[in-house]
Amino acid sequence: QKEVEQNSGPLSVPEGAIASLNCTYSDRGSQSFFWYRQYSGKSPELIMSIYSNGDKEDGRFTAQLNKASQYVSLLIRDSQPSDSATYLCAVNIRGNNRLAFGKGNQVVVIP
Amino acid sequence: GAVVSQHPSRVICKSGTSVKIECRSLDFQATTMFWYRQFPKKSLMLMATSNEGSKATYEQGVEKDKFLINHASLTLSTLTVTSAHPEDSSFYICSAWTPKGNEQFFGPGTRLTVL
Repeated sequence: QKEVEQNSGPLSVPEGAIASLNCTYSDRGSQSFFWYRQYSGKSPELIMSIYSNGDKEDGRFTAQLNKASQYVSLLIRDSQPSDSATYLCAVNIRGNNRLAFGKGNQVVVIP
Repeated sequence: GAVVSQHPSRVICKSGTSVKIECRSLDFQATTMFWYRQFPKKSLMLMATSNEGSKATYEQGVEKDKFLINHASLTLSTLTVTSAHPEDSSFYICSAWTPKGNEQFFGPGTRLTVL
């Protein structure tokens, strides 16, 4: 079982709609969870971090964490063409100093 | 947020030459930095963990003699690709944890092209 899984294929959403991204992780003891945005040809940029169960909102982004289900999600409200990118879910594996990344989900916002 | 820089941003070299990439934490000290490699349209792949004052820890399958890592100070880690070949052409990215240790920031990356 992979440490972090993002299974959805490319996601196309119309401008102004909500984009929803999901991620599951295998280590029940993980404590820190992150979403990175990566534009084509650029390095990842941290957009959200979440450590406690529930929702965390930052502007148009909302991260949701459910440790019991080992599930973390990202919602992008009022999607804009500038949100078109690959979104990477990352988990700080317990007892390990490194991040485990999912393979990423490409989001395309259609004007 | 914390700033991590890399130099150079882009390098083109001939096969057989060595290339050094620098990663700096600009406004904080980083005892640990990470080096990743990313091929086009592929996931990030962690190559090694760079530890200040000690040897780097390499991931399985990464040749430590080919990818030399030096973390000589709390703000600088270097990755040297020795005797580079075309298959080493990739996007190399470093990262570091913030001083609180609760968020990891990436440098802008170095695109290496080996002819």
